Amino acid sequence: AQKVTQAQTEISVVEKEDVTLDCVYETRDTTYYLFWYKQPPSGELVFLIRRNSFDEQNEISGRYSWNFQKSTSSFNFTITASQVVDSAVYFCALSEAWLTGGGNKLTFGTGTQLKVEL
Amino acid sequence: EAQVTQNPRYLITVTGKKLTVTCSQNMNHEYMSWYRQDPGLGLRQIYYSMNVEVTDKGDVPEGYKVSRKEKRNFPLILESPSPNQTSLYFCASSSGQGREPQHFGDGTRLSIL
Repeated sequence: AQKVTQAQTEISVVEKEDVTLDCVYETRDTTYYLFWYKQPPSGELVFLIRRNSFDEQNEISGRYSWNFQKSTSSFNFTITASQVVDSAVYFCALSEAWLTGGGNKLTFGTGTQLKVEL
Repeated sequence: EAQVTQNPRYLITVTGKKLTVTCSQNMNHEYMSWYRQDPGLGLRQIYYSMNVEVTDKGDVPEGYKVSRKEKRNFPLILESPSPNQTSLYFCASSSGQGREPQHFGDGTRLSIL
C-alpha cells in the first residue's frame, strides 16, 4: 500500500527565512508520480509540481525548489526567502503510474501548515 | 477556462436529511474522484469513476453514493448524513493517467448537525 508521511505538522518562520517541508513516501511501484499541492487559507488546492519516479533531477521555480531522492524515498520542498503569502497548508501526494485496482488515486500526506510572519 | 465546479460551497444541514453535492468538469476528463479532508488526516479518497457508468470505492466509501451518468458530472450523494460526515469535500478530475495532475474543485464545506 502507498503511504505519504509529512512529519512536520506546523512550521512557523519569519519572513525572508528559508524553510524546507519534508515528505517521505512508500510504494511498491517502480513507476510513480509525486506531487505538491498548496492550500491557501481560502481553501482551494493549487497544484505546484509533479515529479516522475525515473527523473531525480531537482527542480527550481523562482523561490521554490524540490529535492527528490529515491534512495531515501523523499521529495522535499524548499521555499527560499519566504513571504507572508506563502502561508498555507502544503500537501505532498503520490500517484501510481496508471489505472489499477485503486484507480488514479492520489495518496496524500497529512499536510504541513506553514505560517510566515513579519 | 478549464475548471471543476462544485456546488454548494457551504452547507449546514441536519442528520438524516438526504443531500447531493454536484461536481462538473469541462475538460472532457475520463477520471473523476471525490475526496474528503479532515484535520490531521489529509485528503482521503471516497469514490472514483474511470468513465461513464464505471465507479468504484475509494478508501472511505461508507455512507456515500455516487453516480456517473454523463462524462462531465459526478455527484456525491449522502443518503442519510451523520455528524461524522462533517468535512471539507473536494471533487477532482484528470485524464486518468497517473502522471497527470488532478484538477480540484474549490471544495464544499459540509456541516451535519
